[in-house]
Amino acid sequence: DAGVIQSPRHEVTEMGQEVTLRCKPISGHDYLFWYRQTMMRGLELLIYFNNNVPIDDSGMPEDRFSAKMPNASFSTLKIQPSEPRDSAVYFCASSFQHSGANVLTFGAGSRLTVL
Amino acid sequence: GESVGLHLPTLSVQEGDNSIINCAYSNSASDYFIWYKQESGKGPQFIIDIRSNMDKRQGQRVTVLLNKTVKHLSLQIAATQPGDSAVYFCAENITGGSYIPTFGRGTSLIVHP
Repeated sequence: DAGVIQSPRHEVTEMGQEVTLRCKPISGHDYLFWYRQTMMRGLELLIYFNNNVPIDDSGMPEDRFSAKMPNASFSTLKIQPSEPRDSAVYFCASSFQHSGANVLTFGAGSRLTVL
Repeated sequence: GESVGLHLPTLSVQEGDNSIINCAYSNSASDYFIWYKQESGKGPQFIIDIRSNMDKRQGQRVTVLLNKTVKHLSLQIAATQPGDSAVYFCAENITGGSYIPTFGRGTSLIVHP
């Protein structure tokens, strides 16, 4: 398996533009997570899905952020409109709950810079 | 879930020394713990885990110690190498439920050759 695949790896955009980040989880994993990482806040959980259904989106900063998982092999995180404070590395991770525990496999991340 | 905190944000060691990275957790119900390693430009990767029915687990050059009495976790790296330079996170879990692991801010390990 190629692991969790994220795209784009780097995105530079201007304030107000729409940003779409993409993720392909590991086949067979039933959980998918979106995290944001900054120096100030570390790794923040934004939202997670179980069997393609959003379970907890309480970490999504505001209405400008939305996430979808139309099928088991694809998810998107969209920011519209983007703002400079959204600049961060966004990680997607997937897992298969084994023995009642989640061990996450992370993608390489998408580094977003909003000017 | 309750937060996971780290004592030291940065640890600098000489190559060949042993490293100890500490982690405090606050949820007494947590029964499964994972250490992740994040190298520059990459996502966190699983290193080693431990369940609460153990107080020590060894891997290749790494050992995790769990002290449930004081809710403390540590990762020991023997004969630290430059390739060990990374940010290390601990994550706490509660098995059997829908608990999602939470991460602390991480400890940056810098290994000097």
